[in-house]
Formats: sequence, structure tokens, C-alpha cells
Amino acid sequence: SQQGEEDPQALSIQEGENATMNCSYKTSINNLQWYRQNSGRGLVHLILIRSNEREKHSGRLRVTLDTSKKSSSLLITASRAADTASYFCATDHSGSARQLTFGSGTQLTVLP
Amino acid sequence: SQTIHQWPATLVQPVGSPLSLECTVEGTSNPNLYWYRQAAGRGLQLLFYSVGIGQISSEVPQNLSASRPQDRQFILSSKKLLLSDSGFYLCAGKWVDGRGYNEQFFGPGTRLTVL
Repeated sequence: SQQGEEDPQALSIQEGENATMNCSYKTSINNLQWYRQNSGRGLVHLILIRSNEREKHSGRLRVTLDTSKKSSSLLITASRAADTASYFCATDHSGSARQLTFGSGTQLTVLP
Repeated sequence: SQTIHQWPATLVQPVGSPLSLECTVEGTSNPNLYWYRQAAGRGLQLLFYSVGIGQISSEVPQNLSASRPQDRQFILSSKKLLLSDSGFYLCAGKWVDGRGYNEQFFGPGTRLTVL
């Protein structure tokens, strides 16, 4: 079953605003990864945060991880129209090659 | 750098016809490889994964099969396609990079339409 679940399912904002997407999961993880998917394209890896990390930055992206609440958030600052895409979180679990479990994604629309 | 290739990019097939989608990995060795299917507007469903040549694990019972004839080649097949096999198929690979990160990377995908 899909363990990482994103919230909200859809988000529409104006260019320049910040966008925040959340992800919740159920069982312990090794790390959590965020991906971006433009319509009809493959997934692009954005950022990985390990279970012993609380916050990570990459350019305009900021990811936080709260293992006590089993949740993560992805913040995109100063959004641009080109940020319009679906964003997925994926949880990485120990024990087998089948480690990444994806949620159903958040569709972000940034209006110019 | 590592790259995942998939072909074809799009495919339209009649019901009952066979299928073969190919995925190859460049720039790394001994990756874990994965086939996912994504329905329109939905998340990813893991279909198969492989930790090595000839080693295939199936996640869900279905009309599809997978094979790994070479270390960096992963093939998704079907003998007879069903309408429900339509979707976006993504190949992914996982390996440990120079920073010790175990990230998973995706190919560009194949859009399959079964008519």
C-alpha cells in the first residue's frame, strides 16, 4: 500500500508566493525523498533527507522531517510558473530492495 | 553521470497484442531496478523490482512479467495486453552514489495506450 501521503492533493498559488506541501507516513524510515513530475514526464529527484536530519535546503527548496510525527514538508519559496508540476514524497524503508513507497502526489499550479 | 533510458516513449497497441518495454542504465553497475505504473493523475504503483541478473520480484499479480537479462537491462513484457494495462510506465534505478546516498532515479517513461 502507498505509505507516503501528500497533502494537499492540489494547490494553486500566485507567482512569487511560497508553496508548502506535506507528507505523512506510517512506519519508520531510513530516509524520505521528494520528487517532481512535469505532466507526462518522468520523475526528477529533488532532495533526500535522512531519518537523523531535521531540515535540508537546496536552492529554493526547504524540506523538514519530523520523525516523531512521521511527517515531512516541502517548501518552495518565491515560486515561479515553471514550478508547476506534481510533487511526490517517497519513503525509504530498511530490509529489502523494495524500499521506496510513493504517495499520490500534490499537483501544484503556479499562476503567472 | 548515471542515466536511465526507456523506449519507446509512446506506444499504442491493440488488445491481445504482446508488449516489450525496455529500460537500460548507463554509468553505474549492479543497480536495483524497478518498474512502476502510473495511472492518470495518480501516484506510482510498484510492479516489479530486481536486485540482480535473473532476479525478479513481483509486487502485484497481473498480466505483466519482467526480466533482467543483463546487469543494466530491465524488460517489461506481456503476452496479451488488456485494456487495463494502459498507463505510464516508469523504470527506476537505485544505487549508492559518491556521497553514500541511496537515491532512486527515474527514466523518462513510456506512455502505453491499449485500444
